[in-house]
Amino acid sequence: DTAVSQTPKYLVTQMGNDKSIKCEQNLGHDTMYWYKQDSKKFLKIMFSYNNKELIINETVPNRFSPKSPDKAHLNLHINSLELGDSAVYFCASSQDLAVGTDTQYFGPGTRLTVL
Amino acid sequence: AQTVTQSQPEMSVQEAETVTLSCTYDTSENNYYLFWYKQPPSRQMILVIRQEAYKQQNATENRFSVNFQKAAKSFSLKISDSQLGDTAMYFCAFPNPNAGGTSYGKLTFGQGTILTVHP
Repeated sequence: DTAVSQTPKYLVTQMGNDKSIKCEQNLGHDTMYWYKQDSKKFLKIMFSYNNKELIINETVPNRFSPKSPDKAHLNLHINSLELGDSAVYFCASSQDLAVGTDTQYFGPGTRLTVL
Repeated sequence: AQTVTQSQPEMSVQEAETVTLSCTYDTSENNYYLFWYKQPPSRQMILVIRQEAYKQQNATENRFSVNFQKAAKSFSLKISDSQLGDTAMYFCAFPNPNAGGTSYGKLTFGQGTILTVHP
């Protein structure tokens, strides 16, 4: 069974469209994250949620809106897609927000291409 | 600012040999973990090994081990008996505290090192 899953794995869309990426974890973890990996493979955190509550919003444009319906799911909705949004988006989860000590487990990534 | 630096953009090694990937970081924290993740061409991020900063003993997972030098803020990954399946990009990661001193899981990643294992 996949511990952290994301759908879709690939997403190709036109500039200006709105799209969503879904993430689910079956590890029983309390905390979930979204990371963005750019074309140079640099990984940077976007958001984290703990028990459905937003904890980190790392100066991401308002066009990005995470939603956590329950602690096993964290979805990412992106409005008015721009060329610069093209990247691989990773969902991750960890047991909780233990300061500096909790291991994060990653999903397979969603490659978003904006044309 | 807390930073993580991987100074080797690319490395290559022959199958069955040993290779060491370097990572340095900067922090004022005392209790933390450090992580190495592997990203093969499939792009899945896979945890390779983690080190607890308060432990003197270097972490080991089968063919993977770390050389953790806390005073020098160095955290290198040694891969012994390299296999073709080890070909991947390797990232060092460190929880990056915010201004309040809590990291809330903010992993900061190094730039990555592309490792190629040749037959």
